[in-house]
Amino acid sequence: GQNIDQPTEMTATEGAIVQINCTYQTSGFNGLFWYQQHAGEAPTFLSYNVLDGLEEKGRFSSFLSRSKGYSYLLLKELQMKDSASYLCAVRENSNYQLIWGAGTKLIIKP
Amino acid sequence: GAVVSQHPSWVICKSGTSVKIECRSLDFQATTMFWYRQFPKQSLMLMATSNEGSKATYEQGVEKDKFLINHASLTLSTLTVTSAHPEDSSFYICSARDRRTGIYGYTFGSGTRLTVV
Repeated sequence: GQNIDQPTEMTATEGAIVQINCTYQTSGFNGLFWYQQHAGEAPTFLSYNVLDGLEEKGRFSSFLSRSKGYSYLLLKELQMKDSASYLCAVRENSNYQLIWGAGTKLIIKP
Repeated sequence: GAVVSQHPSWVICKSGTSVKIECRSLDFQATTMFWYRQFPKQSLMLMATSNEGSKATYEQGVEKDKFLINHASLTLSTLTVTSAHPEDSSFYICSARDRRTGIYGYTFGSGTRLTVV
């Protein structure tokens, strides 16, 4: 079956670093996405990993280990505007559908 | 970058009426459109996938006669919630795949907040 797990909620301090983990079990794998979603808004694309390793993009980095079915999103120099839900999604095969995790609500405190 | 315009952003309707939600890709051709529903504090739930010019593929448990999807052109897809009931109140989001950008090309609309009273 398909399963994507993320922590429900995390809290971090402004200026700090936070790592949001995602584990997945899918019948196939053709890429993993991270999206940010503010309350009442649509998700916005953050990162995409299809090969093992770390992809860095400014304050955000995403890591993938296909053998472990594991990814994390690393947010550095946290800002208050980073308070949002972070969604992990896996593209299972070539039909382009994404399987979504439940999302991690990140709360940033001053 | 690619933009998907979704309208309306919010709508309140009476129980039993129908509501149409439109998603337009403004500067690219959306070969595939995904329609999602999201309840409060929950993740996105895929309702259906539509390809231009063909019938939509609905996920298990989604009534195709209640949620009518039309993808008549490469720039427009619509979702009509027919005979809406309070339990249909949700956040509906479309996501278009841009065939030019391949795997990266998932662009979301801004979402429609539907409240059925």
